Amino acid sequence: AQSVAQPEDQVNVAEGNPLTVKCTYSVSGNPYLFWYVQYPNRGLQFLLKYITGDNLVKGSYGFEAEFNKSQTSFHLKKPSALVSDSALYFCAVRATYRDDKIIFGKGTRLHILP
Amino acid sequence: GAVVSQHPSRVICKSGTSVKIECRSLDFQATTMFWYRQFPKQSLMLMATSNEGSKATYEQGVEKDKFLINHASLTLSTLTVTSAHPEDSSFYICSARPRGPGLASEQYFGPGTRLTVT
Repeated sequence: AQSVAQPEDQVNVAEGNPLTVKCTYSVSGNPYLFWYVQYPNRGLQFLLKYITGDNLVKGSYGFEAEFNKSQTSFHLKKPSALVSDSALYFCAVRATYRDDKIIFGKGTRLHILP
Repeated sequence: GAVVSQHPSRVICKSGTSVKIECRSLDFQATTMFWYRQFPKQSLMLMATSNEGSKATYEQGVEKDKFLINHASLTLSTLTVTSAHPEDSSFYICSARPRGPGLASEQYFGPGTRLTVT
C-alpha cells in the first residue's frame, strides 16, 4: 500500500536561513509526488509536484523539492526562509497505476523565527 | 488559477440534525471531487471520491449512510452529515480535479468547512 512519512512534527528555522521539510514515500511503481501548504483554518494550497523529468522541481513562493528515487524521498526546500512561510506543510503521493487517490503525510509545522 | 469554494465556512448544529456542505469548482469542470476530514493537528483523511453522475466511492470505515455525497453536476458536490453527533465535529475539506490529461493534474482544494455539533 502507498504511504507517506513526514518524520518531523515541527521544524524551527531562523528567518533568512535555508529550510528543509522532509518527506519519504512508499509506493509500487512510479509515484506522483506533491507538496501542499495549509494556513490556519484554510484549505490546502498547491506548492509543487513531481511527475517525471528533472529531479529538482521548482514551485510557488520560492519553494523547491528534490525527488530522490534511491532514497524514496521528496524533501521540500527553500534557500532563505521568510516569517510568512510559517504554516503546516503536507507531502502527498499518488501511485501512477491508481486512479485519483492521493495519500497525505501527517504534516509538518514550520515555524520561522524572526 | 483554479478556484474551489465551500459553503458554509463554519456551521454549528445541534446533535441529531443534518447539515449540508457544498463544494463548487468556480472556473473549471471537475469530473472528480474528493471529501476529506481533518482532525486538529492531524492530516487529511480521505472520506470518499465523488464522480459526477455516479455513486461516491467511500473509504474503508466511512459510513455511507451517515455521510451522504451527491455530485449532481460537473461543478458541484455536496456532503450531508446526517444525524450529526459531537464526534462528527471536524474540519471538512473538499477538492476537485479538473477534467484533463490523466493523473498528472493536481487537485485543487476548497477552504474547508468547520463543523461543530453541540
